[in-house]
Amino acid sequence: SYVLTQPPSVSVAPGKTARITCGGNNIGSKSVHWYQQKPGQAPVLVIYYDSDRPSGIPERFSGSNSGNTATLTISRVEAGDEADYYCQVWDSSSDHSFYVFGTGTKVTVL
Amino acid sequence: EVQLVESGGGLVQPGRSLRLSCAASGFTFDDYAMHWVRQAPGKGLEWVSGISWNSGSIGYADSVKGRFTISRDNAKNSLYLQMNSLRAEDTALYYCAKDIGRIVGAQGAFDIWGQGTMVTVSS
Repeated sequence: SYVLTQPPSVSVAPGKTARITCGGNNIGSKSVHWYQQKPGQAPVLVIYYDSDRPSGIPERFSGSNSGNTATLTISRVEAGDEADYYCQVWDSSSDHSFYVFGTGTKVTVL
Repeated sequence: EVQLVESGGGLVQPGRSLRLSCAASGFTFDDYAMHWVRQAPGKGLEWVSGISWNSGSIGYADSVKGRFTISRDNAKNSLYLQMNSLRAEDTALYYCAKDIGRIVGAQGAFDIWGQGTMVTVSS
């Protein structure tokens, strides 16, 4: 089955840039979506189709995808960005097609 | 206001059944695919099942295939998950989520989520 690997944690100072990676075999050929989940809350879509932002999501959130790595970048990090972040793709490369979530990354704002 | 509200969770013994419901409002329900996603306590997200706008395409995770059945009633703006032969490892918060497209497998994202309903499988 298709596996998406994320670093367990990323720490960043306020005002700096956080980069969260999502590794998968030839992930650059797939559409990657990113979700933010704060404690006790439902996930929120922050990036879809690699780099598009839903309405209401700040421009500080951006995404890229190439080769074997997709990246979510949070610029000018704020305390309110502290959350778990998950990448997600649709995989149809095996004999079974399904949606796959990454392992999740906890972003801590120092 | 766009909203998804799940219900039907609870404590159930292993081997028993449970039916989850999701009531949608604030958008044209029958224009979109819908999904169930679960999250075990302290763990990550796991896609469970999805259904296309007209129920024409349905998918399941391997972990629930043959035990869970997804369905929808577009006239009632509702999504359902029938869960049979429940196991301890099915214990999780179950979210209902709206797809940005109409079809399961169109590489769509999930743009609206409910607050979830908790399912606990234990004797």
